[in-house]
Amino acid sequence: GNSVTQMEGPVTLSEEAFLTINCTYTATGYPSLFWYVQYPGEGLQLLLKATKADDKGSNKGFEATYRKETTSFHLEKGSVQVSDSAVYFCALSGGYGGSQGNLIFGKGTKLSVKP
Amino acid sequence: NAGVTQTPKFRVLKTGQSMTLLCAQDMNHEYMYWYRQDPGMGLRLIHYSVGEGTTAKGEVPDGYNVSRLKKQNFLLGLESAAPSQTSVYFCASSQYREIYNEQFFGPGTRLTVL
Repeated sequence: GNSVTQMEGPVTLSEEAFLTINCTYTATGYPSLFWYVQYPGEGLQLLLKATKADDKGSNKGFEATYRKETTSFHLEKGSVQVSDSAVYFCALSGGYGGSQGNLIFGKGTKLSVKP
Repeated sequence: NAGVTQTPKFRVLKTGQSMTLLCAQDMNHEYMYWYRQDPGMGLRLIHYSVGEGTTAKGEVPDGYNVSRLKKQNFLLGLESAAPSQTSVYFCASSQYREIYNEQFFGPGTRLTVL
């Protein structure tokens, strides 16, 4: 079945450091890909998404490019801030055999940014 | 506009007790979902609803029941709680079911079963 694998955390960075969180997926067909973020004590909220190959999703300085050839959707940010400390989830929806509209999540990566 | 709300925020149960978690959304969304979040496991879909009066099983439905009597509410029931159901439960809703559509999440309910 469809699945998402993302890098294990926790990740600890200093403010203004470069961030990469790796995400790869297993799915046939053409799933949509998402990054959700969960700030401490809150529910998840959509950070960005991409719906077809080579699309780049971006929001709040974060970017991720849908790479079908490598089945990846890595999250990047050029300069992190303390306020970016959160848990980041990669997710997919669709693809052949995937239940339309249901999200499949990775395990999450906790990011801590130190001043 | 409150979005998605969940009641209660915290609950402690003893093994064998029952309870109902309430999810409410004020966005007139057609679709609603219940997930559980466990350490190192990400979120896993328990049940979902594609409209008032309809529900379907997700990835981990055993031990849970759901009802969607009103469009804005989605209830998750535990008939006989077990320690394995200790988790954080999230409700979500979406306007459409297309694969590119965003889901909106509530703040979660932390449940402990002793």
